[in-house]
Amino acid sequence: RKEVEQDPGPFNVPEGATVAFNCTYSNSASQSFFWYRQDCRKEPKLLMSVYSSGNEDGRFTAQLNRASQYISLLIRDSKLSDSATYLCVVSSGYSTLTFGKGTMLLVSP
Amino acid sequence: EAGVTQFPSHSVIEKGQTVTLRCDPISGHDNLYWYRRVMGKEIKFLLHFVKESKQDESGMPNNRFLAERTGGTYSTLKVQPAELEDSGVYFCASSLQSYEQYFGPGTRLTVT
Repeated sequence: RKEVEQDPGPFNVPEGATVAFNCTYSNSASQSFFWYRQDCRKEPKLLMSVYSSGNEDGRFTAQLNRASQYISLLIRDSKLSDSATYLCVVSSGYSTLTFGKGTMLLVSP
Repeated sequence: EAGVTQFPSHSVIEKGQTVTLRCDPISGHDNLYWYRRVMGKEIKFLLHFVKESKQDESGMPNNRFLAERTGGTYSTLKVQPAELEDSGVYFCASSLQSYEQYFGPGTRLTVT
């Protein structure tokens, strides 16, 4: 079983749509959770950290369910510029980041 | 402030040759990490430096890979001799605290 599992997509949505990505992780000792964004042939960039209480940053909302070992990312009012691969990332607290393979989002006009 | 830089951006070498990748972290970042993404797979951790010391090298695939960070500034990752399966994108990241890691643009290595 992979440590971090994501639906690879692609998710094709029109501008203005709401889209949600999910991710599950296998290591119950994981302590930190993140969503990174990666554009084609670019480096991963931190989008947001994920907290148990849930957190929101503009159009982006992240949720964590420790009991189910499940993380989600909701994007509202999708923009063309949101097209990218979204990487679910966990850490056991010793700095090492464990990545999922990513979910590709394509936002069309 | 300059971000993490990596050199070269691309490298094409033949099987059996040696390649050295370089990473310059963000100034003042004591933590430096190497990751690798091979085609079709997820990004995987290779190793972690704190200053010049190797904190965790559990992700290094085998002894053909040697990472150094002399003086606790830039780091090099040498692959000797390179094999076909070493092809991929090698990312370097740095951080002040352990969790918020900033990634460099990567070095795309192709072994033929």
